[in-house]
Amino acid sequence: AQTVTQSQPEMSVQEAETVTLSCTYDTSESDYYLFWYKQPPSRQMILVIRQEAYKQQNATENRFSVNFQKAAKSFSLKISDSQLGDAAMYFCAYRREYGNAGNMLTFGGGTRLMVKP
Amino acid sequence: EAQVTQNPRYLITVTGKKLTVTCSQNMNHEYMSWYRQDPGLGLRQIYYSMNVEVTDKGDVPEGYKVSRKEKRNFPLILESPSPNQTSLYFCASSGRVQAGGSSYEQYFGPGTRLTVT
Repeated sequence: AQTVTQSQPEMSVQEAETVTLSCTYDTSESDYYLFWYKQPPSRQMILVIRQEAYKQQNATENRFSVNFQKAAKSFSLKISDSQLGDAAMYFCAYRREYGNAGNMLTFGGGTRLMVKP
Repeated sequence: EAQVTQNPRYLITVTGKKLTVTCSQNMNHEYMSWYRQDPGLGLRQIYYSMNVEVTDKGDVPEGYKVSRKEKRNFPLILESPSPNQTSLYFCASSGRVQAGGSSYEQYFGPGTRLTVT
C-alpha cells in the first residue's frame, strides 16, 4: 500500500518570502501522479499543482513549483512571494496512474502554513 | 458550473440516530468517493463507486453505508453514528482514467462537518 508523509505539521513564512513544504511517499509503482491541495479556512479542497511521475520536468503554476525527486520519493512544494491568501492547510496526495478504487487519493497528514504580514 | 454539492454542511447529532449526508455531481462522472478528514491523518477514503450500482469499501468503511442508484448521487449513510465518527466529510467525483490519457482530478464537495455527541 502507498503511504504519504508530511513531516512538518506547521510552517510559517514572512509575506513576500519563499517557503518549501516537504512530502515523501512510498510506493512500489513506477507510474503515478502526485498532487498538492490547498485547504483554506473555508475547508474547500483546491488543487494547487500536479506532477506526473513519468515527467522529469518539475511542474510549475505561477508562484507554486515542485521539486520532484523520483528516486528519493520526495515531492516538495515551493511557494514564492508568499501572500496572506496562501495561509491554509496544504496536503500532499498520491494516485496510481490508472486509478484504483475510484481514482482514490492517498493523502499525507497535512502542513498548516501561516503567513506573517 | 461544474460542481459537487453536499448537504448538510453542518450536522450535530446524538449517538445512534441514523443520518444521511447527500452528495450530487453535475459532471456525469463515473467515479465518486467519500473521504473523512481527521487532524494529522489527512483525508482517508471511506467508500467509492465506479458506476451505478457498483460500490466498494475504501480504507475506513466501518460504520458507514453508501448507495449509487443514480449516476449523479452518492449518499453516505450512518445507521448508528458514534462519537468516533465525528469528522469532516468530503464527497468527490472524477472521470474514468483511460490508458495513456491525462490525469482526471478529483472534484471535491464543500465538506460536511459532523459532530456526534
